[in-house]
Amino acid sequence: QSALTQPASVSGSPGQSITISCTGTSSDVGGYNYVSWFQQHPGKAPKLMIYEDSDRPSGVSNRFSGSKSGSTASLTISGLQAEDEADYYCSSYTSSSTWVFGGGTKLTVL
Amino acid sequence: QITLKESGPTLVKPTQTLTLTCTFSGFSLSTRGVGVGWIRQPPGKALEWLALIYWDDDKRYSPSLKSRLTITKDTSKNQVVLIMTDMDPVDTATYYCAHSLGLVGPSGYWGQGTLVTVSS
Repeated sequence: QSALTQPASVSGSPGQSITISCTGTSSDVGGYNYVSWFQQHPGKAPKLMIYEDSDRPSGVSNRFSGSKSGSTASLTISGLQAEDEADYYCSSYTSSSTWVFGGGTKLTVL
Repeated sequence: QITLKESGPTLVKPTQTLTLTCTFSGFSLSTRGVGVGWIRQPPGKALEWLALIYWDDDKRYSPSLKSRLTITKDTSKNQVVLIMTDMDPVDTATYYCAHSLGLVGPSGYWGQGTLVTVSS
């Protein structure tokens, strides 16, 4: 299975909104409602931000939202804050009954 | 409160076998739908999903690493063990274990990770 495709980097200014895409196939992203998004700060373990395409765990800011269209999932962060600067990874359940991560996106808050 | 912690060697030699243990608390691996998985991250690189074991002993492995991986659980000790054979320098990475639920995969509960270096 190939890694999901994410842009290497995105950037935005405080207060703006940004969107990170995660492109897969009908065998993963497009075939199941099990896309998750993780935030990872340097030297830290990943933190779950979105699960099942668009659900937010308790305690995660509602500035984070997830969506999906076909085989492309998206993470949108609104009202960008300095603390949002981190690496973001998507993951998806696959038709092989396993999971696959994306290549990661570095978010820079300008 | 759910916690997980990885333990094992920090340095292994090429061709050796790596054994990592994930010790967890706050949940039971005998509860329907619950699993514990392993994910790794080479320095400066992306996350890679490795393996998962469910409450009913159902095991899943990354297709690209399946021949080298074995995952087992000891429910009474609240531990999950990952064995990776024939280690190579490219396997140098931080290895994480994570609580999993159903088909969601890795959940909001991860260990702190343990860095394993493969070098002679």
